[in-house]
Amino acid sequence: DAKTTQPPSMDCAEGRAANLPCNHSTISGNEYVYWYRQIHSQGPQYIIHGLKNNETNEMASLIITEDRKSSTLILPHATLRDTAVYYCIVRANTGNQFYFGTGTSLTVIP
Amino acid sequence: GAVVSQHPSWVICKSGTSVKIECRSLDFQATTMFWYRQFPKQSLMLMATSNEGSKATYEQGVEKDKFLINHASLTLSTLTVTSAHPEDSSFYICSAYRAYNNEQFFGPGTRLTVL
Repeated sequence: DAKTTQPPSMDCAEGRAANLPCNHSTISGNEYVYWYRQIHSQGPQYIIHGLKNNETNEMASLIITEDRKSSTLILPHATLRDTAVYYCIVRANTGNQFYFGTGTSLTVIP
Repeated sequence: GAVVSQHPSWVICKSGTSVKIECRSLDFQATTMFWYRQFPKQSLMLMATSNEGSKATYEQGVEKDKFLINHASLTLSTLTVTSAHPEDSSFYICSAYRAYNNEQFFGPGTRLTVL
C-alpha cells in the first residue's frame, strides 16, 4: 500500500520553481524516498531519490526534513515539458516493489 | 538511464481472446521485473513481481490464472491476459529492476483495448 500523501494538483508558472510536497509520516528508517513522474500515456520516469540527506541532480532537488516525515521535490526552472503527474514513493532498500500513490498533477502555465 | 521496451505499444482484441505483452530490458539483465496496470485518471497499480526462473508473485486481488506471467530469461518477461474482457482494457506497464544501483526502469506501456 502507498505510504505517501500528496496534493492532487498544482500549477506553476513557466520559468519559476515548482515545489512539490510529499508527506510520509510513517516512513521507516530503512526506507528511501523516490520521485518519479509520468507524462500522459507514457511510462514513469525516474527523477531522484534519497534517504535522509538532500539530493540534487540535473533534473531536480530533493529536500527531506530532518525527521524524514516529509519531503519536497524542487524543479528549479519549470518548463511546459514538466507538465506531468509526479509520484512520491517510499521503499525499503531491501525490497523492490514500488507502490504508487495518487501523485500530484503539475501543470506548468505559460 | 537504462532502456526497457514493451511490445506491442497498443493492441485491440476481441472479447474472449488472449493477448501477450512483452517486456524487455535492452541493456542490462533484470532478475526481477514488475507488471502494473493503470486505468484512466488513476495511479499505477502493482499486479505482480516476476522473478527469472521462478513463479511470479501476485498482489492481492490479482487473478494469477487470468494474468499469466513468464520470466524465462534475464531480459524478457511476458504478461498474457487470458480470455480478455472489456473490463481488462487498461494501460499495462512493466518495469525492470537493476541491482547495480537499486534502480527500477519503466517501459513505455501497452494500451490494451478489448472489444
